[in-house]
Amino acid sequence: NAGVTQTPKFQVLKTGQSMTLQCAQDMNHNSMYWYRQDPGMGLRLIYYSASEGTTDKGEVPNGYNVSRLNKREFSLRLESAAPSQTSVYFCASSEARTSGRTDTQYFGPGTRLTVL
Amino acid sequence: GQQVMQIPQYQHVQEGEDFTTYCNSSTTLSNIQWYKQRPGGHPVFLIQLVKSGEVKKQKRLTFQFGEAKKNSSLHITATQTTDVGTYFCAAYNNNDMRFGAGTRLTVKP
Repeated sequence: NAGVTQTPKFQVLKTGQSMTLQCAQDMNHNSMYWYRQDPGMGLRLIYYSASEGTTDKGEVPNGYNVSRLNKREFSLRLESAAPSQTSVYFCASSEARTSGRTDTQYFGPGTRLTVL
Repeated sequence: GQQVMQIPQYQHVQEGEDFTTYCNSSTTLSNIQWYKQRPGGHPVFLIQLVKSGEVKKQKRLTFQFGEAKKNSSLHITATQTTDVGTYFCAAYNNNDMRFGAGTRLTVKP
C-alpha cells in the first residue's frame, strides 16, 4: 500500500496563476484533509472532507477550493496564487472524523509550493 | 476559538539528556494526539491520550494528559540522535482540532 500520495512534490508559480494539488489514499479512509505548514506556525487546516461528497472549511480556507472527487481522491485548488500562499502543503486521511471521535491521521509526503 | 500553545519552540540537547515539550489549551479537550516530523519529512502519529490524568509510555517516550484535560506533555528520557525532529500536539475539542506550533528538537552527539 502506498498510503497517502501527493503530486506534485515541488511547484513554483507566478502570482495570479492557478494550480491544483492532487492527493490520493489507498487505505479506504472516509475522511481527508488539507493542511499548510509555515515556519513557526505548525499545521493549519485549510479544508477537510469528513466523508465522500462533503467538504468543510478549516482554519484558513480563504484563497482555496477543494473537491472530493471520490473516496480516494481529494484535490486542493488555488485559483489565483499569491505570495502569501507559499508554503508546504500536506494532505492527510483518517478512518473517520465525526463529532466526538478522532482517528489517527496519515500524512502524505507534502508539496512545496513557492509563489513568486 | 480554541488556542493551543506549545513550548518550547526549540530545544537543543546533548545526546543522553532528557527532553520535554508541553502543550497547553485554552479549552478543555476531548483528547490529544502527538506527532513527530523528521526534518524534510511528514508528520507521523505517535500516540493518542483520552482520559484525564492518563500516562502512556513508548520505550523512552512518556506522554501525559493533565487532570483538567487542558494540557499534555511529551518527555523523552536519554535522547538519541534518532529523536531529532519536530514534535507536534494535536488538540481536539469536540469537532474542532488545532495543532500546536511544534517543538523542534536537535541532539548533539
